[in-house]
Amino acid sequence: QVQLEQSGAEVKKPGASVKVSCKVSGYSLTELPMHWVRQVPGKGLEWMGGFDPEDGETIFAQKFQGRVTVTEDTSTDTAYMDLSSLRSEDTAMYFCAAFLTGGRDYWGQGTLVTVSS
Amino acid sequence: SYELTQPPSVSVSPGQTASITCSGDTLGDRYVCWYHHRAGQSPVLLIYQDKKRPSGIPERFSGSKSGNTATLTISGTQTLDEADYYCQAWDSSIVVFGGGTKLTVL
Repeated sequence: QVQLEQSGAEVKKPGASVKVSCKVSGYSLTELPMHWVRQVPGKGLEWMGGFDPEDGETIFAQKFQGRVTVTEDTSTDTAYMDLSSLRSEDTAMYFCAAFLTGGRDYWGQGTLVTVSS
Repeated sequence: SYELTQPPSVSVSPGQTASITCSGDTLGDRYVCWYHHRAGQSPVLLIYQDKKRPSGIPERFSGSKSGNTATLTISGTQTLDEADYYCQAWDSSIVVFGGGTKLTVL
């Protein structure tokens, strides 16, 4: 059974960075096209970026380009999302998610990131 | 950028049928997924490839599409169905979500 376990809640000051982890079990991280989605309180689901199988790279939504970095540690099957230059509007629940074919998709439980001075 | 449009809210009485629409340019040429989501929880995939249900999703959830409008139908709506619902499609390798529809069961 595939499970995605995310790191715990974070509180950060404006201008800081946050790193959210997503540990995969029951599958190999290298075979999961990982994506990152967030939900700002009161707003809808927002895709931040994810693996593009066409070119084997991770691509990002334009609004996050330059501020978000995604890395993977294949030895521990853990993916990381690093968001820098945080502002209050980045306060949100952040999810990792893997979208496979045939109606198989897997989501982490979410990581709440609060940006406050 | 590609956009999907959903009504902000839909209300339904318990036991009745709820329909939530999702529209977008050339949506007829793309597969649509539907998600159920409660704040603080992970989204749950209800429908994929326009009308297929993943294992474990009740039959009262169904999906359809006509032209550039997709519809999620919930038959025999229950109070536990009260949540936000999102449609989703792919724009090349980019994931696009609709703005979400809040379903109220009253």
